[in-house]
Amino acid sequence: ETGVTQSPTHLIKTRGQQVTLRCSSQSGHNTVSWYQQALGQGPQFIFQYYREEENGRGNFPPRFSGLQFPNYSSELNVNALELDDSALYLCASSATGGASAYEQYFGPGTRLTVT
Amino acid sequence: SQQGEEDPQALSIQEGENATMNCSYKTSINNLQWYRQNSGRGLVHLILIRSNEREKHSGRLRVTLDTSKKSSSLLITASRAADTASYFCATESYNQGGKLIFGQGTELSVKP
Repeated sequence: ETGVTQSPTHLIKTRGQQVTLRCSSQSGHNTVSWYQQALGQGPQFIFQYYREEENGRGNFPPRFSGLQFPNYSSELNVNALELDDSALYLCASSATGGASAYEQYFGPGTRLTVT
Repeated sequence: SQQGEEDPQALSIQEGENATMNCSYKTSINNLQWYRQNSGRGLVHLILIRSNEREKHSGRLRVTLDTSKKSSSLLITASRAADTASYFCATESYNQGGKLIFGQGTELSVKP
C-alpha cells in the first residue's frame, strides 16, 4: 500500500451533474498527477499540479479542472458529466514536478459511474 | 492518446513458467516504467529504466530497453499465481516529469 489515499471509493452520478474527487498525497510529495482509466484501457494523463499550480495538461476539455492545496492534497472537479466520463480516476504523487524522473505512487482510485 | 502498444494483450501461463511482455512506443523518452494493476485498482510501480540503460533487474523482474527500436520488454521469471494482474508500460519524455503516457496493458493470468 502506498501513502496516497483517494475518496470516495465509488461514486454514481447522473449525466449533467458535477463531481469532486479528492486525493491526499504521500508525505513529502509536492506533485500530484491525475489520470483517467476507462475500462480495459491504460490510464490517460489529465493534468498535474506542482506546488499549487497546474503544471501540464493532457487532452481533456476545460470542464475537467483541479486544485492543489498548501498541504499538497488535491481535488479533481468534473462539470457537466457525460456518460463517457465513467472511469477509474487515479491520482499519483511524486517528489517533484520538474524535469527529473521520480517514482510515482498511485492511490487506489475512485470508480465513477455516470448514468 | 496512448504512446505505447503492448504485446500480447493477454497471456495465460502455468505457475513456474516465465512471462514476457513487450512494449513499443513512438517518441523519444527520458525513461520507461512498468506498473502492475490488480483488478482495476491502483497501480503499483515495478521498475524504472532510464533511456541510457539497456537492462535492469529487480528480484524476479528483468526489463530491457532498446531505444533504437523504441521498445521494451518485461520478463517475470518463475511466475506465481499472485503475479496475475494487468501490466502496463509508461513512458516519460524529457522535461515532462511525472506526466506518464501509458500503453494499453497486458493481462497476465498465472494458473496454479
